[in-house]
Parts: sequence; structure tokens; C-alpha cells
Amino acid sequence: DGGITQSPKYLFRKEGQNVTLSCEQNLNHDAMYWYRQDPGQGLRLIYYSQIVNDFQKGDIAEGYSVSREKKESFPLTVTSAQKNPTAFYLCASSSPGGRTNEKLFFGSGTQLSVL
Amino acid sequence: SQQGEEDPQALSIQEGENATMNCSYKTSINNLQWYRQNSGRGLVHLILIRSNEREKHSGRLRVTLDTSKKSSSLLITASRAADTASYFCATGGRGGNKLTFGTGTQLKVEL
Repeated sequence: DGGITQSPKYLFRKEGQNVTLSCEQNLNHDAMYWYRQDPGQGLRLIYYSQIVNDFQKGDIAEGYSVSREKKESFPLTVTSAQKNPTAFYLCASSSPGGRTNEKLFFGSGTQLSVL
Repeated sequence: SQQGEEDPQALSIQEGENATMNCSYKTSINNLQWYRQNSGRGLVHLILIRSNEREKHSGRLRVTLDTSKKSSSLLITASRAADTASYFCATGGRGGNKLTFGTGTQLKVEL
């Protein structure tokens, strides 16, 4: 069953703690993305990667970090420097070739809340 | 930055009616896409229209694109309660630039 798997579905962060959100895809897609969605708002791009071992900052990268060691995986770490991390986080991937303006496939999201 | 702006922000209709949502954007695009999001879930791609296309159909969906007005519309015909969701437009810039999403239209279809 091809697709994108995000885990966990719900995550709670304590003050000063770093947390990592998992994103795995088996679609053989080159490009992967992390978006943040706040209630009633659209998606804002955090980071994206067009190829293994390379990634670019999006519009709101401060307080976040990523890695792309494998084609299938693009984990997002929300660091303690991110002062307002409560949001719905969405991972996505796009078709082979690394083009970043084509159709996106999304995971089911992770809701992060601060304790 | 968010390039697309959807209008209206919220729309409530009766089952069987048509629903029209609009999207305006600011800069030149390579393509424009529409996505659907059910509450608490990820987005699902509905349709992509390229800058050299004016209209596209997919099932009960009809999308138009007017590059001179920098606007697009999504029409859902014969709506169903299951169409209740948020709908987002996303613009793909020239040169393969990443997609930029709008703020969405919340559609509610009542029985």
C-alpha cells in the first residue's frame, strides 16, 4: 500500500524539550516537504528536500531542523527554540525528478501540543 | 508567504446545490492546484491546471483559470454531504519553485 506515513498522530512537548516527527514514504519520490498548519489558516512551508543529503529552508524554518539521510525518510525536529510549536504538521512528497511545483501527496499529519 | 487567497472563507449549501470557490494570486505561475482537507487529516490533491490551460474537468469538479486576472475557480456540481471539507488552492511558480498555499475555503454541505 503506497503512501506517506507520519507518526505519531499526537505528540506532546514539554518546555525546553526537542521532539522529532517522523515521515516515511514508499512512493519513490525525490522531493519531500514539511508544512505547518495553524487553526483556520493555510499551510506554511518549514523545510523541503529535493534530493538525499540536501534540504532547503522554507518560509518559517526558525526553531526547526531536518535531515534527509535516506530517500524514504524526512524527519522534522521541533527544537526548544521554537516558542510556539502548537500546530498541525503535515509531511508531503512529490513526483520523481525533484520538481517542487508538481502534485503533492500528503501524510495524515501530526498534532503537536505543548504541555 | 501565502500567494493564494480563497474566497469565500466559508460556504454553506444544501445537498444537490453547486459550490463555487475562488482563488486569487499575485505573481506569474506555472500551474495552479486544488486540494481538499477533511478535518484533522492530510490534504488530498484534486486537480492541477497549467498556465496555458483555461478549463479542466474531473468528475463533478470543474476548474477554470484566468491568468490575465490572476484568478481561478473551483466548481463542485451536485454537492454531497461527503464534500464537506476545506478546499485550498496552491500555486506553483515558474522555474520549478515550490508550491504556495492559500488560506482555504471551508465548505459545509447540509442534508
